[in-house]
Amino acid sequence: QKEVEQNSGPLSVPEGAIASLNCTYSDRVSQSFFWYRQYSGKSPELIMSIYSNGDKEDGRFTAQLNKASQYVSLLIRDSQPSDSATYLCAVRNAGGTSYGKLTFGQGTILTVHP
Amino acid sequence: NAGVMQNPRHLVRRRGQEARLRCSPMKGHSHVYWYRQLPEEGLKFMVYLQKENIIDESGMPKERFSAEFPKEGPSILRIQQVVRGDSAAYFCASSPPGSGGMNTEAFFGQGTRLTVV
Repeated sequence: QKEVEQNSGPLSVPEGAIASLNCTYSDRVSQSFFWYRQYSGKSPELIMSIYSNGDKEDGRFTAQLNKASQYVSLLIRDSQPSDSATYLCAVRNAGGTSYGKLTFGQGTILTVHP
Repeated sequence: NAGVMQNPRHLVRRRGQEARLRCSPMKGHSHVYWYRQLPEEGLKFMVYLQKENIIDESGMPKERFSAEFPKEGPSILRIQQVVRGDSAAYFCASSPPGSGGMNTEAFFGQGTRLTVV
């Protein structure tokens, strides 16, 4: 089982719709969770961080964390063509020999079509 | 406050040469991560360092690859005797201290694109 898994893409949504991106993780001692956006040929850009259960909203983005289910998601409201990118889920371990290690999922490609 | 600086941005090496990739973390950051990314693939963890310490190098190939983060100066990822399969984008990220790096955000540099010919 992979440490961090994201729903397989690509995901295509129409402009103005809600895009939903999902991520599960295997290590129960994981403590910090992040969503990055990566445009083709560019470096990852941090868009959201979440550390406790529940929802965290920032503009059109909402991150949701459920530690009991080992699940984190990202919702993008009013999707725009400029949101088209690869979205990476990242998890930081909080215990054992992997303490502090930041592990990424394989990414989900999102396409927002006009 | 400058971001994470990586250099060079592009590096071409012939097979058998050495490649040195540099990463200067953001001011005040003492944690550095290195990742490798092949085209159309995800970020593969290589190594996690704090000043003068390697915390986790579970993603580093056993041979030819090494990393350091000295007390002064940038973090260095060194690849000896490069082969064509080493061609990839190498990214570093840094985060501040505090609670062992927990609940702190990591920011990426622009990456170094290594091409082995």
